[in-house]
Amino acid sequence: DAKTTQPPSMDCAEGRAANLPCNHSTISGNEYVYWYRQIHSQGPQYIIHGLKNNETNEMASLIITEDRKSSTLILPHATLRDTAVYYCIVRVPYHDSNYQLIWGAGTKLIIKP
Amino acid sequence: DADVTQTPRNRITKTGKRIMLECSQTKGHDRMYWYRQDPGLGLQLIYYSFDVKDINKGEISDGYSVSRQAQAKFSLSLESAIPNQTALYFCATSDSGLAGGPLDTQYFGPGTRLTVL
Repeated sequence: DAKTTQPPSMDCAEGRAANLPCNHSTISGNEYVYWYRQIHSQGPQYIIHGLKNNETNEMASLIITEDRKSSTLILPHATLRDTAVYYCIVRVPYHDSNYQLIWGAGTKLIIKP
Repeated sequence: DADVTQTPRNRITKTGKRIMLECSQTKGHDRMYWYRQDPGLGLQLIYYSFDVKDINKGEISDGYSVSRQAQAKFSLSLESAIPNQTALYFCATSDSGLAGGPLDTQYFGPGTRLTVL
């Protein structure tokens, strides 16, 4: 079962910041939060990941609350090409020292002109 | 990502037929994965392989088998296809040199759309 909860859909105006929330209230101390996105049923694309601290890269920023029970992905200046399904994923231990990504249903983000 | 290719991209078959989906990668990664995606849902792990001699079941392996022919090739077979195996299938790779750490990122192929009639 998915360890994350996301709204099924969101809209954002082009040029504005898109803020996508995610709840992961049962996350354990050593479990990372990953974000991927999927455009038009293409292969998912990695965006960003984090453990405790806020993270930023060329695509997005990830804000994780101090209690780690929720996070927000921020796309600072959304474009039409950012329309996609965004998945918030918890990476959990799986078979000894290996890890598995547990996928939920994601948030469909629609960027409007 | 062009570094991970899947063939065929689309396939329509009939119940009971044997089907093979193939995945090749030029990223030099040693870990490969097969996922299934049903409409409106996230991905579910079918099988994964950490090197040529290593095969592991994922959460939904029943009705599927895999073969790791080489480091760069990982194929998925449906021995006797059934309609509820109609789905999108994705192959992914990752680098064990970064495994377990925060950079254990998976890279996905374009997917195969399989329809079983």
